[in-house]
Parts: sequence; structure tokens; C-alpha cells
Amino acid sequence: AQRVTQPEKLLSVFKGAPVELKCNYSYSGSPELFWYVQYSRQRLQLLLRHISRESIKGFTADLNKGETSFHLKKPFAQEEDSAMYYCALSTSGTYKYIFGTGTRLKVLA
Amino acid sequence: DAGVTQSPTHLIKTRGQQVTLRCSPKSGHDTVSWYQQALGQGPQFIFQYYEEEERQRGNFPDRFSGHQFPNYSSELNVNALLLGDSALYLCASSLGSQFSNQPQHFGDGTRLSIL
Repeated sequence: AQRVTQPEKLLSVFKGAPVELKCNYSYSGSPELFWYVQYSRQRLQLLLRHISRESIKGFTADLNKGETSFHLKKPFAQEEDSAMYYCALSTSGTYKYIFGTGTRLKVLA
Repeated sequence: DAGVTQSPTHLIKTRGQQVTLRCSPKSGHDTVSWYQQALGQGPQFIFQYYEEEERQRGNFPDRFSGHQFPNYSSELNVNALLLGDSALYLCASSLGSQFSNQPQHFGDGTRLSIL
């Protein structure tokens, strides 16, 4: 069965430190992967998708099919990055999204 | 554009009752998906509506049903409510595409509590 795993419920880093939020997926086909973010008192919103290969707010994520991972990275964390981050998988031929359980990122001053 | 709007924001029901939640998609979007988010969990896909038809369903029982109207708005109905149905119900809209899954635009959700 398809699954998305985010092993860390909470990740705390200091401002200016590098950040890596882990996401692993299980799917034998060709996946589409996304990162969604929810800032305090805001709705869930798209941060980036692997197919566009963009850098949004300094975040990047590379799809590693060999390791079935899509980790989210940022070289220098900022306090405004504090939020809940969800990794999501969409499988080819379906319209279903599978979300991970999320990682709460806290950036400390 | 207000984006995706959901109503009501909060709802309290008792076991065995039925509930209807409503969603208006973002302007220009024609596809609506519904998710259930329990406390401490990620959103769980319930189903997706496109062209007034359910075109994909997650692992939810038949007690969960939906509808999409010609103006693309949608309803989620849950019958015979159980305590375990207590959750945040999220609606997301997107542009329908047969080639790939489009990014989802989420509403604020409806918080459903079952007593």
C-alpha cells in the first residue's frame, strides 16, 4: 500500500541553522510529491512540488527514487519558517493524495 | 477571491445523527476533494468530485457520501455518526486534469465533534 512517512513529529533548530525535514514514501510506480505547510492560524497551503523543481522561500526538495525520499531542506532557518509541514504523495493514474503525519518545525531565536 | 470557503466552522452532533458539510471551491476551480484530519494526524483522503461525479475514493465506509453541484460547490454527508468521526474536515479545490494531479487549495475546515 502507498504510504508517506515523516519520522519526526517535532524538529527544533536555531535561527540560521540548516533544516532538513524528512519524508519517505512507499510506492512502486512514478510518484508525484508535494510539500504543504500550515503556518499558525492559517490554512494548509502548497509549498512546493517536485515536478516544478522550484525553490520557494529558500526551501528545496529533491526526489530520490532510489531511497524513496523527498526531504525538504533549507540552508539557513528563519523564525518565520516555524510551522507544520506535511509531505504528500499522489500516485499516477489516481487522483488521491496521501499525506504524512506532519512535522512541526520550531525555529528558535 | 476568498479562496476555498467551508461551512459551518464548528458543529456538534450526537452519535447516530447525520451531518452535511459544505464547500465552495476557489474561483476557477472545478474539482473538489474532501479530507478527514484527526488530531495529530495528517489529512486522510475521503473522495474527490469532478464534473459532478465521484471519481476517486479513499478507504472510508459508505456512511460518507458526497455531491457536487453544477456551480462546482460540494457537500459531504456523513450518516450514523460515530465518536470516531470527530475530526477536522477539510475541503480542497483544484483544476481538473486527466494528466496529473494538480496542487490542492485548502479551506479552513469544519471542526466536527461527536458527543
